[in-house]
Amino acid sequence: AQSVTQPDIHITVSEGASLELRCNYSYGATPYLFWYVQSPGQGLQLLLKYFSGDTLVQGIKGFEAEFKRSQSSFNLRKPSVHWSDAAEYFCAVGARQAGTALIFGKGTTLSVSS
Amino acid sequence: EPEVTQTPSHQVTQMGQEVILRCVPISNHLYFYWYRQILGQKVEFLVSFYNNEISEKSEIFDDQFSVERPDGSNFTLKIRSTKLEDSAMYFCASTPGTTSGEQYFGPGTRLTVT
Repeated sequence: AQSVTQPDIHITVSEGASLELRCNYSYGATPYLFWYVQSPGQGLQLLLKYFSGDTLVQGIKGFEAEFKRSQSSFNLRKPSVHWSDAAEYFCAVGARQAGTALIFGKGTTLSVSS
Repeated sequence: EPEVTQTPSHQVTQMGQEVILRCVPISNHLYFYWYRQILGQKVEFLVSFYNNEISEKSEIFDDQFSVERPDGSNFTLKIRSTKLEDSAMYFCASTPGTTSGEQYFGPGTRLTVT
C-alpha cells in the first residue's frame, strides 16, 4: 500500500538549534517526494522537492532534505531554526506523471522555544 | 509570483445544502486538483482534472461531489447535499505541465456544515 509516515507528531526545538523531521514512505513506482509547510490559517507552501539526481536537495527558507532510497526516507533538515519556522510540516509522495494524487503524511507540528 | 486563489475563505452551510467552492488556478497550468483536510487529520486527495475531464479520483469523491471548469480561469468543487462529515478545509492545487508532479496549493476554504 502507498503511504507516508511521519513518526513525530510534535517536536519542540530551541531557536538556533538544528532540526530534523523524519519521513518514511512506501510507494510502488519511482517516487516524487515533497515537503510542504502550513502555517496556522494558511495554505500549503512547497518547501522543496526531489525528482531525481542529487539526493540532497535544497529548498526555500534554508531547508534541505536527503533522499535515501535504501531506507525509503526523505528527512527534512535545517541547521538553525528561527521562531518563524513554527508551523506544521507535511511530507508527501507522488508519481512522476501529472494528475496523480499526492499522498500526505499526518504532519509534524514544530514548536520553537526561545 | 503567481498563486492559486480560493474563495470564500470560510463557508458555513446547513446540512443538506449545496455548496460550491471556487478556485482560480495559476494561469497556464494544465492540471487541477481538490484535496481536503479534516481537522486534525492528514490532507486527502479528492480529484484531479485535465482537459475538461476528471483524470483521477479517490473513493472519497462519490456522487455527491462534482468538479467543473466553467470558464478559462475558474475551477469549482460542488457538494450537492452536505453532511456534517464534509466539514473540512478544502484545498485547490494546480500543476504546470503534463510531466511534472509538482502541485501548487491555494490557501484553502474552510467548510463548516452545521
